[in-house]
Amino acid sequence: AQKITQTQPGMFVQEKEAVTLDCTYDTSDQSYGLFWYKQPSSGEMIFLIYQGSYDEQNATEGRYSLNFQKARKSANLVISASQLGDSAMYFCAMREGARAGSYQLTFGKGTKLSVIP
Amino acid sequence: GAGVSQTPSNKVTEKGKYVELRCDPISGHTALYWYRQSLGQGPEFLIYFQGTGAADDSGLPNDRFFAVRPEGSVSTLKIQRTERGDSAVYLCASSLNTNLQTQYFGPGTRLLVL
Repeated sequence: AQKITQTQPGMFVQEKEAVTLDCTYDTSDQSYGLFWYKQPSSGEMIFLIYQGSYDEQNATEGRYSLNFQKARKSANLVISASQLGDSAMYFCAMREGARAGSYQLTFGKGTKLSVIP
Repeated sequence: GAGVSQTPSNKVTEKGKYVELRCDPISGHTALYWYRQSLGQGPEFLIYFQGTGAADDSGLPNDRFFAVRPEGSVSTLKIQRTERGDSAVYLCASSLNTNLQTQYFGPGTRLLVL
């Protein structure tokens, strides 16, 4: 089974509108972290936001917020007031904490977001 | 401060050749990770270092791949007898330590094996 599932290969959003990018995850660990990264066409992975499994409040970073629904195992990224510069690939990733010595990130396949002027 | 840097940014080689890819992490970051990203996919984990030692190399695909970090800072990913299937973007990331710290990525090295 996929550990990280991003079901939207591509999304379009009008400039200044909000958009939600979906992410579901699968883990049996109690302690884990969820991340969103942005990858523009230049290729660099840019960290956006982090949510810990024990965090009671949804994470927010400027125009980015993470809609964390633990029972549903979902961690959707919400981008408010979209800008043209938001056009990029977006990756959801998980780090599971239980296995000693393993801090690798597992990534989904990504969603390509296109912001329309 | 400076972010993670990787050299070269692009590498073209022929099948069967040996290549080295370099990663210079953020100063003071003790944890360093290598990932490989194939076209249209998310990055896949290769190996991670805590200090000088490889703490987890479970993602290396076979024994043609090897990585070192002799002084606990710069790391080199080495690929022997390259194959066309090795063509990908190789990403390096570092974090302050391994305890739930965010990984910050470099720009990657695009490897093309002809």
